[in-house]
Amino acid sequence: SQKIEQNSEALNIQEGKTATLTCNYTNYSPAYLQWYRQDPGRGPVFLLLIRENEKEKRKERLKVTFDTTLKQSLFHITASQPADSATYLCALRLNSGYSTLTFGKGTMLLVSP
Amino acid sequence: EAEVAQSPRYKITEKSQAVAFWCDPISGHATLYWYRQILGQGPELLVQFQDESVVDDSQLPKDRFSAERLKGVDSTLKIQPAELGDSAMYLCASRTREGLDNEQFFGPGTRLTVL
Repeated sequence: SQKIEQNSEALNIQEGKTATLTCNYTNYSPAYLQWYRQDPGRGPVFLLLIRENEKEKRKERLKVTFDTTLKQSLFHITASQPADSATYLCALRLNSGYSTLTFGKGTMLLVSP
Repeated sequence: EAEVAQSPRYKITEKSQAVAFWCDPISGHATLYWYRQILGQGPELLVQFQDESVVDDSQLPKDRFSAERLKGVDSTLKIQPAELGDSAMYLCASRTREGLDNEQFFGPGTRLTVL
């Protein structure tokens, strides 16, 4: 069966450190992968998109890698700040069919001062 | 900045009652999605519209859920009758058009509690 797995436990780090979140998937062949941020009681907000033929994408303090052999994406936040505390969701878009996204459960990140 | 609007933000109802949620996507966005998000889980797609047509409702419990987007703009999701297990956040999202690699814009959601 198809699965998307994100760290189920919250990730606690200190301000200034690099946060690394993992998204693993099985039995999918995604055309691309997206990362979203979700604050409590609010809708997800898009952060980055990385395609199957791209290894790495950067945007300001954010970096995403995509390894289709390992079936894994890593999401990095450098110089993390308390304001980065939120739940981060990865979402896969399959190669076939409509632009449906399948979301992981998300990983909660807590950045302490 | 353009946003996806949803109402109500919160809804409390008793089981077996009918509830309806409304969504107004970003102007010009042809694709509209309804998701359900249970606490601690990721959003799960219920239905996807392209303009006024349903293109994917494979995960919509059609015995009790219905969705429409009559003029291809705003949309309504209805549950009748509501069950205890329907308690969740209902999210609406839109994007410009099918076939483009771009992001979905989400609304603030409607938090439904069924008693």
